[in-house]
Amino acid sequence: GQNIDQPTEMTATEGAIVQINCTYQTSGFNGLFWYQQHAGEAPTFLSYNVLDGLEEKGRFSSFLSRSKGYSYLLLKELQMKDSASYLCAGLDSNYQLIWGAGTKLIIKP
Amino acid sequence: EADIYQTPRYLVIGTGKKITLECSQTMGHDKMYWYQQDPGMELHLIHYSYGVNSTEKGDLSSESTVSRIRTEHFPLTLESARPSHTSQYLCASSGTGEVQPQHFGDGTRLSIL
Repeated sequence: GQNIDQPTEMTATEGAIVQINCTYQTSGFNGLFWYQQHAGEAPTFLSYNVLDGLEEKGRFSSFLSRSKGYSYLLLKELQMKDSASYLCAGLDSNYQLIWGAGTKLIIKP
Repeated sequence: EADIYQTPRYLVIGTGKKITLECSQTMGHDKMYWYQQDPGMELHLIHYSYGVNSTEKGDLSSESTVSRIRTEHFPLTLESARPSHTSQYLCASSGTGEVQPQHFGDGTRLSIL
């Protein structure tokens, strides 16, 4: 079956760095997406990885290891506005997104 | 500024009613999607469309139907609402190409009494 696993909740301190992990099992693989979703709002696109390695976008970076079926989202210089759920989604062989349940990130002052 | 619009934003309605949730996008995207999301849970794909007159069922059809008569419009209809339909419904669209990020509307929070 297809499955996306990520931690349910994480807590970090303002100004610090946090890494949110995601492991995936999909029927075929055409890349991995990360989305941010603030409470009561729509998900917004953060990053896409299809090749192994690190993609950096400002304070946010995303890493992929295809051989390990593993990705992480790295958030640096955390700000209070980064408190949100972070959704990992794998793109399968039919180009359909398989979604994780999301990791709720709580930022403390 | 939102380019994909969903109405209503909130709806509370009784069991057995017919409901249509509206979704429109102004980006000219060919692909559109409907998802159901419960709090703290993953998104479940209900229906999707790759263009006008094209509709497909997702993993969770939830006794609903969709239509795609115009590129910009993708309404979702529940013929007879039940309490189990209580959830958040998210509409999304994506552009041409197999790997394009999906852009989401603000969602409709539906409560069936």
